[in-house]
Amino acid sequence: EPEVTQTPSHQVTQMGQEVILRCVPISNHLYFYWYRQILGQKVEFLVSFYNNEISEKSEIFDDQFSVERPDGSNFTLKIRSTKLEDSAMYFCASSERRPIGNYGYTFGSGTRLTVV
Amino acid sequence: SQQGEEDPQALSIQEGENATMNCSYKTSINNLQWYRQNSGRGLVHLILIRSNEREKHSGRLRVTLDTSKKSSSLLITASRAADTASYFCATDEGNTGKLIFGQGTTLQVKP
Repeated sequence: EPEVTQTPSHQVTQMGQEVILRCVPISNHLYFYWYRQILGQKVEFLVSFYNNEISEKSEIFDDQFSVERPDGSNFTLKIRSTKLEDSAMYFCASSERRPIGNYGYTFGSGTRLTVV
Repeated sequence: SQQGEEDPQALSIQEGENATMNCSYKTSINNLQWYRQNSGRGLVHLILIRSNEREKHSGRLRVTLDTSKKSSSLLITASRAADTASYFCATDEGNTGKLIFGQGTTLQVKP
């Protein structure tokens, strides 16, 4: 079964450093998302991406965050200057079409980001 | 309660018993989805029910949706120890592709 692949599985970074989280969505999917889950809390929407542009972003997704689809397969989330509160599990997801009346999302297994 | 709130927060049952988890939400939705998460792992899509559907089955899973009450339930029948995980409902308003997740129900199935 097709999978969404995320790398790395775990990243430790110093506060203030830039990190790039990488995702390879399912090849025929057109819509891409980033979510995060702070330990013990809800999964929160960060951003959706379609046709090489952001469709929607949450309040969390401030100027420190950016997304990019640099080639036909990768989808990246960059945090420019990490803060302690950015420590979380970051999930990438993709879906085949929107509206998602019939389709669930496929999530990756996540990248655990630890900011020290 | 907030969008996509589940109850109970934690549920412990014996193998073979049924597990029922409930979810409430506030706004109009296009569909409601249930996901499973094993400890420290990714989210696995279980089942999606559209706003014009009332009940859906998938294997041992049964999902109901009551849009008048803005609530949904997930029933896992004949539970197994391998069903031990956290279960989340997520609502999709349909216009943005954004899912709003609840806090989840942690299910423990004892062998």
